[in-house]
Amino acid sequence: EAGVAQSPRYKIIEKRQSVAFWCNPISGHATLYWYQQILGQGPKLLIQFQNNGVVDDSQLPKDRFSAERLKGVDSTLKIQPAKLEDSAVYLCASSLVPGLAGEQFFGPGTRLTVL
Amino acid sequence: TQLLEQSPQFLSIQEGENLTVYCNSSSVFSSLQWYRQEPGEGPVLLVTVVTGGEVKKLKRLTFQFGDARKDSSLHITAAQPGDTGLYLCAGARAGGTSYGKLTFGQGTILTVHP
Repeated sequence: EAGVAQSPRYKIIEKRQSVAFWCNPISGHATLYWYQQILGQGPKLLIQFQNNGVVDDSQLPKDRFSAERLKGVDSTLKIQPAKLEDSAVYLCASSLVPGLAGEQFFGPGTRLTVL
Repeated sequence: TQLLEQSPQFLSIQEGENLTVYCNSSSVFSSLQWYRQEPGEGPVLLVTVVTGGEVKKLKRLTFQFGDARKDSSLHITAAQPGDTGLYLCAGARAGGTSYGKLTFGQGTILTVHP
């Protein structure tokens, strides 16, 4: 079974530029998550989708971050404009169903460096 | 805000030693998961505990969920260099928009030297 795919794996941009990340979850997984993991910290949930609807985006900086999952499968996360503090690894995860004991499967992440 | 505090943040030991990582919170969680993350990869689930007082064993790894479901521990016996990585605990709460949402601890970086 193919895992969660993410691209690009690495991205270096200058502050105030825009960037987009792509995620393809495991086939059949209805729930998709985007996390931000700053060096030395655990992942922080940015947004959670159930199919193509947003379930939780309470920690998404909506003035600069946006995400969509138009057909309930692939998802993109965009940052516009980027700030220095956005330097982090952006992880995408998916799960078959959300739940108290549901396993989340993570992709390898995109490492973003903002100069 | 629910916080999960992990300790220690860094652990450097010799092969064959035992170790324990702690995950503590003032909040009650309905379930708690432990993940392991290697450099350049995403976290991989090791175990989920859902019942207060529950103990699960996975080869040399022993996981315990506190009776009050506020804390957990991971104990590794006879650590091996292959155990090196970032260990993350993550708690989930039921109800409302929190359903299924995981709150992660800051992680424990374990290095096992041959």
